[in-house]
Amino acid sequence: KQEVTQIPAALSVPEGENLVLNCSFTDSAIYNLQWFRQDPGKGLTSLLLIQSSQREQTSGRLNASLDKSSGRSTLYIAASQPGDSATYLCAARSYNTDKLIFGTGTRLQVFP
Amino acid sequence: EAQVTQNPRYLITVTGKKLTVTCSQNMNHEYMSWYRQDPGLGLRQIYYSMNVEVTDKGDVPEGYKVSRKEKRNFPLILESPSPNQTSLYFCASSPGGTGSIEQYFGPGTRLTVT
Repeated sequence: KQEVTQIPAALSVPEGENLVLNCSFTDSAIYNLQWFRQDPGKGLTSLLLIQSSQREQTSGRLNASLDKSSGRSTLYIAASQPGDSATYLCAARSYNTDKLIFGTGTRLQVFP
Repeated sequence: EAQVTQNPRYLITVTGKKLTVTCSQNMNHEYMSWYRQDPGLGLRQIYYSMNVEVTDKGDVPEGYKVSRKEKRNFPLILESPSPNQTSLYFCASSPGGTGSIEQYFGPGTRLTVT
């Protein structure tokens, strides 16, 4: 059974720092892995999706990597801004299923 | 505007009183799903639907029902709510299942069962 873990649970950094959020999964037979952003009182916004055949995806200041052999994905945020403050969730989809298994998230605060 | 809407946004009810949380999307998406979010447990899928009249259980379906009679609507039904169903609920839709980057989530429904 797939389990997804995110460390750290919370992170507070000054504006301008580059930072890395971690996501681990137990079953390496994943179809894809997604990163989401959740703002308080709102739903989730999809940020990046990495297919199992890919190693990374980039969107603006965000870069997500995938290492299936080690069961890890990272979300790199460059030059963080206060507007990046949110909870970041990763979710893995295994083969032969349409289920997304979510991690518990990393709550990020970027202060000016 | 492309969106997923949920109603109500907040609901306080008592044990055993049947309730329905509605979900509607205006993007003609085939795939819709329901999640609950609890502290320390993350989001867990309750039910999902690949298309009209096609539904399947997620990871935590006990105590819930769904129906998909129209493509745009996917209501979540709690026949006899219990306090352990107090949670934050999200509806989501996508044109291509969970493999699509275009995952649209509703704003959430915070349910309290006393």
